[in-house]
Order: sequence, then C-alpha cells, then structure tokens
Amino acid sequence: AQRVTQPEKLLSVFKGAPVELKCNYSYSGSPELFWYVQYSRQRLQLLLRHISRESIKGFTADLNKGETSFHLKKPFAQEEDSAMYYCALIGGYSTLTFGKGTMLLVSP
Amino acid sequence: NAGVTQTPKFRVLKTGQSMTLLCAQDMNHEYMYWYRQDPGMGLRLIHYSVGEGTTAKGEVPDGYNVSRLKKQNFLLGLESAAPSQTSVYFCASSWTATGELFFGEGSRLTVL
Repeated sequence: AQRVTQPEKLLSVFKGAPVELKCNYSYSGSPELFWYVQYSRQRLQLLLRHISRESIKGFTADLNKGETSFHLKKPFAQEEDSAMYYCALIGGYSTLTFGKGTMLLVSP
Repeated sequence: NAGVTQTPKFRVLKTGQSMTLLCAQDMNHEYMYWYRQDPGMGLRLIHYSVGEGTTAKGEVPDGYNVSRLKKQNFLLGLESAAPSQTSVYFCASSWTATGELFFGEGSRLTVL
C-alpha cells in the first residue's frame, strides 16, 4: 500500500522566512512524487514533480529515498505563497494518493 | 479552452435524495477521476476511469456510482444521499496514469 504523510496541518511563517513543508511517504518501489497547490479561490494545480527536478515559483523539492521524504522548500516566503499544499505519490499501476495537506500562511 | 468543468458548483440535498455531478473535459484526456475533499482528510479518490466505457473503484467508493459513456464526460451519482457525503467534490483528468492532473473548480454538496 502507498501512503503519504504530511505531519503539519498548518504552517505559519513571516514574509522572507524560509519555508519547509514536510512530506514522508510509504511505498516499496520507486514512486513518482508531486506537490499540488490550491490557492484561495483557484483550482488545485500541479506545483512540481520530482522527475522534473525544477524550481517553480522559488520552490524546490528533493526526493530522499533513504528517508522516504519529499519536503518542499523555499528560502524566502512571500505572502502570495499562502495556500494549501498537497504532497502526492503514485507508484506502479496505482492511482495518485494525496496527503492530508498543509495550509501555509505567510504573514507580512 | 475550458479545461475541466464541473456542474453544479453548489447543491443542497435532503437525506435520501439522489443527484448526479457532471464532469466534462475538453483536452481529450483518457484518465478521469472523482475526489472528495474533507477538512483534515485531504483528497480521497472515489472512482476513476482509464478510458471511455471503463470505471474503477478508488479509496472511498461506497455510496457512489459513476459512468463514462463518452470520453469527455465522467458522471458521479449519489443514489441515496447521506449527511456523511457532505463534501467538496473535485473532478480531474490526465493524459496518462502518471501525468499531471487537471482539476475542475469543485462542487460543494451539502446533505441535510
């Protein structure tokens, strides 16, 4: 079975502070991992996926197979980063499994 | 380009009533999904389809039925609504099983 754990329901930081949204997964094979984001009054959308190894809106995420983690990081948070963030995993022939989400609030 | 469109966006039902949520996509995607989003529970897969005429159960299928008669449409039905089905429902579609999911705006359903 595959599982995604996001231990924080809410993460509150000040503008300019570093951000790390934690994501741990459970899967026996080689998973594909994603971060999806839902801004207020907008559709859920893909932020980044680990195979792309790219930075989107200043966010990066590195897959650590040893620690089974895929934490989302940004060195300097902006107010417009406030949103709900979901980590998601797909492995083998299964469907995408989402974590419970972390609400990021960036205060001025 | 509308992408993924869900109708209706809001609905209030009484316990025992039935209804159908419609999802339409104009991207010629093979894969379509129905999720429900509940506070503290994240997104949970209800049913999905890997192509026209096919459907499969997800994580929380009980109390729901689906149909994919046309490639562009994926219908989610509630035969006898229960208060536990009060939720926000999201439809999504993708090119491939591991591809990016494109989501609709969501449908907020309240069952009294």
